[in-house]
Amino acid sequence: DAGVIQSPRHEVTEMGQEVTLRCKPISGHNSLFWYRQTMMRGLELLIYFNNNVPIDDSGMPEDRFSAKMPNASFSTLKIQPSEPRDSAVYFCASNTGSVTGELFFGEGSRLTVL
Amino acid sequence: GESVGLHLPTLSVQEGDNSIINCAYSNSASDYFIWYKQESGKGPQFIIDIRSNMDKRQGQRVTVLLNKTVKHLSLQIAATQPGDSAVYFCAENSGGSNYKLTFGKGTLLTVNP
Repeated sequence: DAGVIQSPRHEVTEMGQEVTLRCKPISGHNSLFWYRQTMMRGLELLIYFNNNVPIDDSGMPEDRFSAKMPNASFSTLKIQPSEPRDSAVYFCASNTGSVTGELFFGEGSRLTVL
Repeated sequence: GESVGLHLPTLSVQEGDNSIINCAYSNSASDYFIWYKQESGKGPQFIIDIRSNMDKRQGQRVTVLLNKTVKHLSLQIAATQPGDSAVYFCAENSGGSNYKLTFGKGTLLTVNP
């Protein structure tokens, strides 16, 4: 299996620009999660989807952040406009939708906003 | 153990020694716990999990202990190897009927050859 695939792996952009991060979950997984990791706050859950439907977006920082899952094999996390404090590593993860079991993470997208 | 400060707790051990990494979780209603390992530049990787109806679970070279009375979780690594050097996170499922992992701040394990 290819695992969870994220792109881009690295992105450097200027404040005010739009950023789009992409994720392809493991085939057959029903749940998809977006996490953000910083030294200050650790791993924070931003939003998660079950069967392509957003279930809990309470972790999304503000209206500048949005996430979509148009189908079972693709999700995007968009930041518009980006700010320097958005600099972090963003992880996508997926699992089968069970309430127990492993959550499979991608390699992450490292975002730097100048 | 876990810390809410800016700096990761650090554990430094000699190769071959046993390591114990501790974690205090926050939600007494959490019923499922996982330990993850994260190497530099990579995503977290699953190590071992435990349900709240157990107090101990063993894997290959790893053991997880759960003390619900004091909301404490520990990960024991036997015969620690240089390849075990990484940041270790505990995570609790605080989502009830939904799967919603909340992660601790992590502990940096350094194994000296």
